[in-house]
Amino acid sequence: DAKTTQPNSMESNEEEPVHLPCNHSTISGTDYIHWYRQLPSQGPEYVIHGLTSNVNNRMASLAIAEDRKSSTLILHRATLRDAAVYYCILRRDTGRRALTFGSGTRLQVQP
Amino acid sequence: NAGVTQTPKFQVLKTGQSMTLQCAQDMNHNSMYWYRQDPGMGLRLIYYSASEGTTDKGEVPNGYNVSRLNKREFSLRLESAAPSQTSVYFCAIRGQSYEQYFGPGTRLTVT
Repeated sequence: DAKTTQPNSMESNEEEPVHLPCNHSTISGTDYIHWYRQLPSQGPEYVIHGLTSNVNNRMASLAIAEDRKSSTLILHRATLRDAAVYYCILRRDTGRRALTFGSGTRLQVQP
Repeated sequence: NAGVTQTPKFQVLKTGQSMTLQCAQDMNHNSMYWYRQDPGMGLRLIYYSASEGTTDKGEVPNGYNVSRLNKREFSLRLESAAPSQTSVYFCAIRGQSYEQYFGPGTRLTVT
């Protein structure tokens, strides 16, 4: 499976935008880019996913590079509740379509 | 985590004891998954079920068995628990757009 690379940790201030990067240089044409987050002592929570075009939903935006070798999760206004580990995952569009989690980016939000 | 429930929330076992982790969903989806998460790491797939009566091994199936007797429930059994199985166990279901919804987890300690 193609691998993703994320920074181990990032810091942000409350009410400011946050850009979480992800590199996936070996992505294949059938790989969807998924983002999940995990708050302390909770199960992972789906955030957003996309294939080629940028995507927006109520939680975040996903910006995908034209060559698809990188993507950025954008939180428009960080809140304290957004402090979590964010996982960028490539999901192959065949087979069991399971998720392969790396170690993610731990986002700290300062008041 | 609405829609996916897991029991128990916490469990302590002695080496060699057996137990069954229960997962139930009320979202009427076919695909269900069991993952484990060790401290400081991402989730790893134990078993997968595409539909009632079918199961498939994931990345780390050794020491586990599963049962999918109906669409709603997917159980994970440890026949003879080992300290290496100390972990947090998450059940997940797959939605219509291939996103996954996770339960709150079962925290298992094997002494």
